[in-house]
Amino acid sequence: DGGITQSPKYLFRKEGQNVTLSCEQNLNHDAMYWYRQDPGQGLRLIYYSQIVNDFQKGDIAEGYSVSREKKESFPLTVTSAQKNPTAFYLCASRSGTASYEQYFGPGTRLTVT
Amino acid sequence: RKEVEQDPGPFNVPEGATVAFNCTYSNSASQSFFWYRQDCRKEPKLLMSVYSSGNEDGRFTAQLNRASQYISLLIRDSKLSDSATYLCVVNIVSGAGGSYIPTFGRGTSLIVHP
Repeated sequence: DGGITQSPKYLFRKEGQNVTLSCEQNLNHDAMYWYRQDPGQGLRLIYYSQIVNDFQKGDIAEGYSVSREKKESFPLTVTSAQKNPTAFYLCASRSGTASYEQYFGPGTRLTVT
Repeated sequence: RKEVEQDPGPFNVPEGATVAFNCTYSNSASQSFFWYRQDCRKEPKLLMSVYSSGNEDGRFTAQLNRASQYISLLIRDSKLSDSATYLCVVNIVSGAGGSYIPTFGRGTSLIVHP
């Protein structure tokens, strides 16, 4: 079955540690996205990539980093510089053009204490 | 002013009611519009695309008004299972490259009660 996988589903970390969230897709989509969602809020764009080896900052990129070495994979690192990292992180992908919809992974719920 | 705005609700309606949500966007160059449904603590899932001529899928009707820059979602004969948050998505042109970036509203909460 084609789809997007994110792991782990729940992640707990101590403050000051970097943590990497996994996102893999087998839909052969060119574009991939990372969003953050806080309780009662909409999705805010962290980073996006429209092609391998290229990515762009979204609205809230500070404290995060990404890589896009393979078409299928777009990992997100939450660094210790991110002031409020506890949130629900969602990865999405879509075929290259804007007329197509995004597909989402199940999300990773990160708690930092 | 936010690029995509929605009334957060909640909209509290009885089963069988008709309910409508609006979503306004600020960039007139926007293209490609979608409605997603998000259940509590789950990922968003596509409900329907929104076409210029309007489109219907069973009890759901989506419309686009480019002149007034809003999209709408109408749900007829509401079911208990329709209770969820409904997110509108607008593809907004961004950056020198002119790529279209999906931009989400904060969502409208719908509660359907018996």
